[in-house]
Amino acid sequence: SQQGEEDPQALSIQEGENATMNCSYKTSINNLQWYRQNSGRGLVHLILIRSNEREKHSGRLRVTLDTSKKSSSLLITASRAADTASYFCATPGETSGSRLTFGEGTQLTVNP
Amino acid sequence: DTGVSQNPRHKITKRGQNVTFRCDPISEHNRLYWYRQTLGQGPEFLTYFQNEAQLEKSRLLSDRFSAERPKGSFSTLEIQRTEQGDSAMYLCASSRQRYEQYFGPGTRLTVT
Repeated sequence: SQQGEEDPQALSIQEGENATMNCSYKTSINNLQWYRQNSGRGLVHLILIRSNEREKHSGRLRVTLDTSKKSSSLLITASRAADTASYFCATPGETSGSRLTFGEGTQLTVNP
Repeated sequence: DTGVSQNPRHKITKRGQNVTFRCDPISEHNRLYWYRQTLGQGPEFLTYFQNEAQLEKSRLLSDRFSAERPKGSFSTLEIQRTEQGDSAMYLCASSRQRYEQYFGPGTRLTVT
């Protein structure tokens, strides 16, 4: 079963706009990760935020984590057509920190 | 730095046949993972190795599935007596530390 749920399922924006995706999860975690998957390619790790962090930046990416609400958000600023992809949040398993449990993903389309 | 490689990239097989996939992880990574992904869903964990030891298996991994990692290097995933429900993308990932995983491009299996 999926641990995380992303919202929205699909998002279409114009180049230059910001894109925000949300993830909710069910159990206690010690970190949350975001991955990107382009069509026909494997998943690429974007960013990891630990449970004691509230916000983290990497380039045009900003991730927030609210452990009290069991939710996270991924903001992509100044989007580009190349950002078109599916974005997944992933959390370590309850009994094993090694397995990742992914949400269903948000399909982002950035129109030129 | 070569990434995770998987072979074959695509496999079409008839129901009832056996198939085997190979994953070559990043060389210094001691952890290796297999996931399965169906269309529109996030990846689902199948199994995990640390070196040559298979430490965790998902309930998704029925007795028709077997994975090995001899000598702690490459890994193989075999599906016996394939069923149409086995059609999916099979993803391999590796990691050196516990959390950030590097994914291969996947093997797309179609069972006819």
